[in-house]
Amino acid sequence: DQQVKQNSPSLSVQEGRISILNCDYTNSMFDYFLWYKKYPAEGPTFLISISSIKDKNEDGRFTVFLNKSAKHLSLHIVPSQPGDSAVYFCAGVRIYGGSQGNLIFGKGTKLSVKP
Amino acid sequence: DAGVTQSPTHLIKTRGQQVTLRCSPKSGHDTVSWYQQALGQGPQFIFQYYEEEERQRGNFPDRFSGHQFPNYSSELNVNALLLGDSALYLCASSLFRGLDYGYTFGSGTRLTVV
Repeated sequence: DQQVKQNSPSLSVQEGRISILNCDYTNSMFDYFLWYKKYPAEGPTFLISISSIKDKNEDGRFTVFLNKSAKHLSLHIVPSQPGDSAVYFCAGVRIYGGSQGNLIFGKGTKLSVKP
Repeated sequence: DAGVTQSPTHLIKTRGQQVTLRCSPKSGHDTVSWYQQALGQGPQFIFQYYEEEERQRGNFPDRFSGHQFPNYSSELNVNALLLGDSALYLCASSLFRGLDYGYTFGSGTRLTVV
């Protein structure tokens, strides 16, 4: 049972354009959603998060949108830069008694930003 | 400020052998979680240690065990290795009561079972 799904294994965009990475989930109990970026030979790096009670969170070039009714979230990167080329993972997490539970990841989307 | 340190970076083992992977958490963190990332997959949660006890466990067999030391560092042990255990093993540290989603990941240990 895959609780977090990223159905696009790869995405290619032109430098300066918008990148939109999508994520669907089945577990309505998630309290937060997070996006991580991973370069080869490095561990995942936290990018941005959104609470399940919000519908948008913005941090510089990165914006995450949450549609709870559709159980769908998306990460927008504007403008895209070649350095954004990496694998992006979407993850859900629940909060238990004041502490965060484990991250449940999707399979990732490989973003390539072409100069 | 050192982040999460994992050792070794690469490892080759033979089927049936046992392996121990090590992790030193980020300074100030008290919780260590281990994840397995198979090729083409997202990281999958193995277990989490806090106060030297296993607090949460994912859907992994008992061949996978761990330990946390008083200095918060941790080990992941895998017994009776199978070819399917070949993966990148990631360690993530955090604050048990932290809600800043400060999971900091190490660069991982690439385990190959032959």
